[in-house]
Amino acid sequence: KNQVEQSPQSLIILEGKNCTLQCNYTVSPFSNLRWYKQDTGRGPVSLTIMTFSENTKSNGRYTATLDADTKQSSLHITASQLSDSASYICVVSGGNYQLIWGAGTKLIIKP
Amino acid sequence: GAGVSQSPSNKVTEKGKDVELRCDPISGHTALYWYRQSLGQGLEFLIYFQGNSAPDKSGLPSDRFSAERTGGSVSTLTIQRTQQEDSAVYLCASSSGPVRSSYEQYFGPGTRLTVT
Repeated sequence: KNQVEQSPQSLIILEGKNCTLQCNYTVSPFSNLRWYKQDTGRGPVSLTIMTFSENTKSNGRYTATLDADTKQSSLHITASQLSDSASYICVVSGGNYQLIWGAGTKLIIKP
Repeated sequence: GAGVSQSPSNKVTEKGKDVELRCDPISGHTALYWYRQSLGQGLEFLIYFQGNSAPDKSGLPSDRFSAERTGGSVSTLTIQRTQQEDSAVYLCASSSGPVRSSYEQYFGPGTRLTVT
């Protein structure tokens, strides 16, 4: 069964600290993996999209990694800011037009 | 407009009533998706439109749900005889190409539906 699992479910860190969010997937075939940021009450916004051949991709303070062999991805946030408080969702695209969505990690940044 | 828009932003309705939710995708985007997100849950795929092809309705939870896309642009999601379990945020997204080819998917702000 195609699944995307994320950990932790929630995370609280202090402003300025780094953190890493995890994503494991069992989607086959695999086309690409995306990380989205979803602020409360808003639609998701794309952070990165990685294909099979890409191991790492950065978008400002966000760096995503992909290990297609172990079917794992991570999202690292550097020097966190209060505006980083949001849900971060890992999404995998298979061989068709559908996306398999993880449940997300809720990140809270405290001053 | 520059982005995907949805209306209304909030809708409160009584159980048993019909509701219509509207999505205006980014101009020129051929693909349009509807999703549902219950509180604290991940996104649930509902329906997919691609150009003039027949839509994929495999995600619709019951025959009370239907959607159409007129002229390859605006889409309307209709829920008939609403039930309390229909309460959720309904999100629309559009893209200029297939997601399996790494095209970006752009989301609207969603419609929060509350069935009382």
